[in-house]
Amino acid sequence: NAGVMQNPRHLVRRRGQEARLRCSPMKGHSHVYWYRQLPEEGLKFMVYLQKENIIDESGMPKERFSAEFPKEGPSILRIQQVVRGDSAAYFCASSPWGGSNTGELFFGEGSRLTVL
Amino acid sequence: AQTVTQSQPEMSVQEAETVTLSCTYDTSESNYYLFWYKQPPSRQMILVIRQEAYKQQNATENRFSVNFQKAAKSFSLKISDSQLGDTAMYFCAFEESGSEKLVFGKGMKLTVNP
Repeated sequence: NAGVMQNPRHLVRRRGQEARLRCSPMKGHSHVYWYRQLPEEGLKFMVYLQKENIIDESGMPKERFSAEFPKEGPSILRIQQVVRGDSAAYFCASSPWGGSNTGELFFGEGSRLTVL
Repeated sequence: AQTVTQSQPEMSVQEAETVTLSCTYDTSESNYYLFWYKQPPSRQMILVIRQEAYKQQNATENRFSVNFQKAAKSFSLKISDSQLGDTAMYFCAFEESGSEKLVFGKGMKLTVNP
């Protein structure tokens, strides 16, 4: 059973461009979480999605950021008009059911975004 | 809002020795969960150990154990018989029951020396 797959692992964008980060959860997992890690910081919650639904986006900036988890295909975190402050590692995690506190939460290796 | 504090940014230990990583948290909730995650150079977050706040017994997982002091809001991780593969960043995390959101500390870099 493959783990949580994130791509690209590294992405470089110039200011004003768009960044798209993809996350394929583990097989059988229908719950996806996105976290952001700034340099020298811990991970910060961004958004929690189930298939086709955003459950909690309280950690996501209101502008320029969006997330989706379609019925078919990976979850996508989209950042429009990137700025230097968006440079960070973005982690995706998945679980088979709701309950990131159950210990059944598995993280991907992250996507590192660098904005020039 | 809940906060998690890891006051030691960095520690080192000799192989086979025991090391304790400290963590404190702040919450007004009574039902929650605490975690220690390990982030090796590959950057993938790996769950080390998990504690339910309603359980008085400290969690253990092989060489890893915790000292959970609920009244003091303290949650330290003890690593016994340290191994070179334990070298990593360690993050303490908190989750309020039902919130689906982990709150992480800033992490601590542990180096195990041969």
